[in-house]
Amino acid sequence: KQEVTQIPAALSVPEGENLVLNCSFTDSAIYNLQWFRQDPGKGLTSLLLIQSSQREQTSGRLNASLDKSSGRSTLYIAASQPGDSATYLCALTNMNYGGSQGNLIFGKGTKLSVKP
Amino acid sequence: ETGVTQTPRHLVMGMTNKKSLKCEQHLGHNAMYWYKQSAKKPLELMFVYNFKEQTENNSVPSRFSPECPNSSHLFLHLHTLQPEDSALYLCASSSAPGQGWAAFFGQGTRLTVV
Repeated sequence: KQEVTQIPAALSVPEGENLVLNCSFTDSAIYNLQWFRQDPGKGLTSLLLIQSSQREQTSGRLNASLDKSSGRSTLYIAASQPGDSATYLCALTNMNYGGSQGNLIFGKGTKLSVKP
Repeated sequence: ETGVTQTPRHLVMGMTNKKSLKCEQHLGHNAMYWYKQSAKKPLELMFVYNFKEQTENNSVPSRFSPECPNSSHLFLHLHTLQPEDSALYLCASSSAPGQGWAAFFGQGTRLTVV
């Protein structure tokens, strides 16, 4: 059974710092991996999607990497800002899942706080 | 705005009430999902619909009843819920496999059962 783990559960950094959020998974047979952002009480906003054949994706100050062989993904945030404060969720789509397409398996998230 | 709209945003209901959550997407996606997010737990998949057909029921109690009349609309009918059913209910839609299966989520319905 696929398990997704995100470490740390919470992170507090001063504004301007570069930071890395970690995501690990137990089964490397995945279709893709997505990073989401969730603000308190709100839905999920998709940040980056990495296909299984890709190594990384970039969007603005965000860079996500994927290493299937080691079962790891990282989300790098450059020059963090107070507006980046949110919970960041990692989710992946299993290749060996016998159910329907697109079923996402989520980690518990990392709650990020960027202090001014 | 993700293109997935959920209503209502907040709902308080008694254990004997019947209510429905609505989700709508106009992204041209064929698959729609209901997820449940409880405090301190990962998001849990509840139901999956693909081309209006239910293809997954993740051992959800029968007091939750989904309905998908077409590829753009998804409902979650609620009846005789329990206080532990209080949670954020999220709807999502995704593209076909060939398009990368990117998932888009709505803003959620915050459900409180009293």
